[in-house]
Amino acid sequence: AQSVTQLDSHVSVSEGTPVLLRCNYSSSYSPSLFWYVQHPNKGLQLLLKYTSAATLVKGINGFEAEFKKSETSFHLTKPSAHMSDAAEYFCVVSGPYTGGFKTIFGAGTRLFVKA
Amino acid sequence: GAVVSQHPSWVICKSGTSVKIECRSLDFQATTMFWYRQFPKQSLMLMATSNEGSKATYEQGVEKDKFLINHASLTLSTLTVTSAHPEDSSFYICSAAGGRRTSYEQYFGPGTRLTVT
Repeated sequence: AQSVTQLDSHVSVSEGTPVLLRCNYSSSYSPSLFWYVQHPNKGLQLLLKYTSAATLVKGINGFEAEFKKSETSFHLTKPSAHMSDAAEYFCVVSGPYTGGFKTIFGAGTRLFVKA
Repeated sequence: GAVVSQHPSWVICKSGTSVKIECRSLDFQATTMFWYRQFPKQSLMLMATSNEGSKATYEQGVEKDKFLINHASLTLSTLTVTSAHPEDSSFYICSAAGGRRTSYEQYFGPGTRLTVT
C-alpha cells in the first residue's frame, strides 16, 4: 500500500527567503517520488523526480528535494523564493500495483510569496 | 519528448448531454493511461486506469457507466462523460505512461475544464 502526506496545507514566505514544503510517504516497495507544481487554472508541471538514483535531486527553477528513506520523507526546498513560485505544489508517490503501477497524490501545499 | 495533449482544453455543455475528452500521447506509445478529476482547490483524484486494448479499471466510487473510458490505441484514450450534470463540472486531467520511460513515471496532459450548465 502507498500513501503520501503533505504536512502543510499552506506555506507563506517572503520573497528572497528559503522555501520548505514537507512531504512524507509510505510504500511497501521502493517508490518513485515526484514534485509537481500547478499554477492557477493550469496543468501540472514536473519539478523533479526521484527514481532510486541519487538521493538529492535537483529540479527546475532552483528547487531540489532529498529522499530520506529512514525518515520516509521527500521534502522540497528552494534557497530563495521568487514571486513566480506562488502556486500549488503536489508531492506524488508511484509504485507497483496489480497489472502495472499506481500513483497517489498528496493533498497539496499552497505556497504564498510575499513581496 | 513525452508530450501528452488533451482536447478540448475547455468545454461547456448542457445538463443531460454527453461530452468526450481526448487524450493523446504525441511522441511515445502509452501502454497505460490514467484519468484524474480535480475539483477547485483540491488535489487530483484518480478516476480510472486504462491499459491499451483492455477494459479500464475504475477507482472505488467512480461510476463506470457514467464515465466511459476507451483506450483503443497506444496513443489515444477517450473519456466520455455521459448525461452530464452540474456536479460533473470539474478539471479533468489525463496522463500516460509507457515506452522507454521510467516505469513509474507518467506524463500529464494540460487538462480539460468541463462546465455543465
